[in-house]
Amino acid sequence: EVQLVESGGGLVQPGGSLRLSCAASGFTFSSYDMHWVRQATGKGLEWVSAIGTAGDTYYPGSVKGRFTISRENAKNSLYLQMNSLRAGDTAVYYCARADDYLDYWGQGTLVTVSS
Amino acid sequence: AIQLTQSPSSLSASVGDRVTITCRASQGISSALAWYQQKPGKAPKLLIYDASSLESGVPSRFSGSGSGTDFTLTISSLQPEDFATYYCQQFNSYPLTFGPGTKVDIK
Repeated sequence: EVQLVESGGGLVQPGGSLRLSCAASGFTFSSYDMHWVRQATGKGLEWVSAIGTAGDTYYPGSVKGRFTISRENAKNSLYLQMNSLRAGDTAVYYCARADDYLDYWGQGTLVTVSS
Repeated sequence: AIQLTQSPSSLSASVGDRVTITCRASQGISSALAWYQQKPGKAPKLLIYDASSLESGVPSRFSGSGSGTDFTLTISSLQPEDFATYYCQQFNSYPLTFGPGTKVDIK
């Protein structure tokens, strides 16, 4: 059974940093692209980043230069390093597996940026 | 970035109704479109990929169509468990983008 479990969310002050993790199981992690998607309370879905099997990375303009996606295939783990956090980054962050499309999602971890 | 619009933004329907949601892309994306269903407090669930392919395990009352810039998600006979918010997403090019969502609630 495919499972994705996010962790690392919490309360952080504006300008601070946080590192999210996603533990994957039930599939060959190294064979899949992986993504992060976020959702502010009561709002829609926003794609945050992607990493390919070869380590190629992609970001939207809203987080480029502040967020870094990485993976550690030996640990079946995906990460999102978030720096220079802003109030607008407050959201539930989901990791998702991509088989072209996002076919499996974790349950999400809440990040709150507030003083 | 490719923008996606959805219509309507919300709709009220009854069990058994046929429901159609439209997604329009700001430029052609071939068939690189997916539809997701999301219920409150839950992660999104993939329903349709490649514009018209039904994800494994998804009931056949869900169907998708379209290519280029105009796409449709249809629920042929709405069931109680289908009341949710539906999002389209384009996979044609980065940055990936989602539509704003369509909330389907009980009439």
